[in-house]
Amino acid sequence: GAVVSQHPSWVICKSGTSVKIECRSLDFQATTMFWYRQFPKQSLMLMATSNEGSKATYEQGVEKDKFLINHASLTLSTLTVTSAHPEDSSFYICSAVPGRGRGTQYFGPGTRLLVL
Amino acid sequence: GIQVEQSPPDLILQEGANSTLRCNFSDSVNNLQWFHQNPWGQLINLFYIPSGTKQNGRLSATTVATERYSLLYISSSQTTDSGVYFCAVVSDTGRRALTFGSGTRLQVQP
Repeated sequence: GAVVSQHPSWVICKSGTSVKIECRSLDFQATTMFWYRQFPKQSLMLMATSNEGSKATYEQGVEKDKFLINHASLTLSTLTVTSAHPEDSSFYICSAVPGRGRGTQYFGPGTRLLVL
Repeated sequence: GIQVEQSPPDLILQEGANSTLRCNFSDSVNNLQWFHQNPWGQLINLFYIPSGTKQNGRLSATTVATERYSLLYISSSQTTDSGVYFCAVVSDTGRRALTFGSGTRLQVQP
């Protein structure tokens, strides 16, 4: 149980295009999901907290107009990287917590984004 | 916010050896998880252990919440244990997301 999926797993795009990444909890409902970013040889850094039915909460330094988050249902959150640039190339990982947001967090397999 | 420090940053072992990874944190926590990140980037949940001791096969973990540290033990290491091990916590007083340490990069040589 407690499986989180992400789609796509890999994406290569041209600079200036937008990319949407989906995060789904497959066998549980999650009021809250989290989006992290990881650069090579570094740790995971929180980008934003996605709340079902309300606006996402962004960490300091993360542009909300560039990284659009929509938590459309209790099993789906999407991250859209708008007008992507090469510096947005990274590994994006989501996590979800069953129920009301306490306890074990389960992570998706991640999405590698390469912007040319 | 809460600070999470892991040590050592790098570790090289011969197959069959034992090791201990440490995680120190600066505030009280209600969640502590250990992960193994494999070469493809997938984070594998090892333990959810905000306090106490747990064991799973060759791995075990202990968290002493009052002293703000956690230890991950790997016994009889195998080459498949190679990768990066992360400790991550949720502070009692802060945000609900996990704050990650910088990781321990483990290489097990045959």
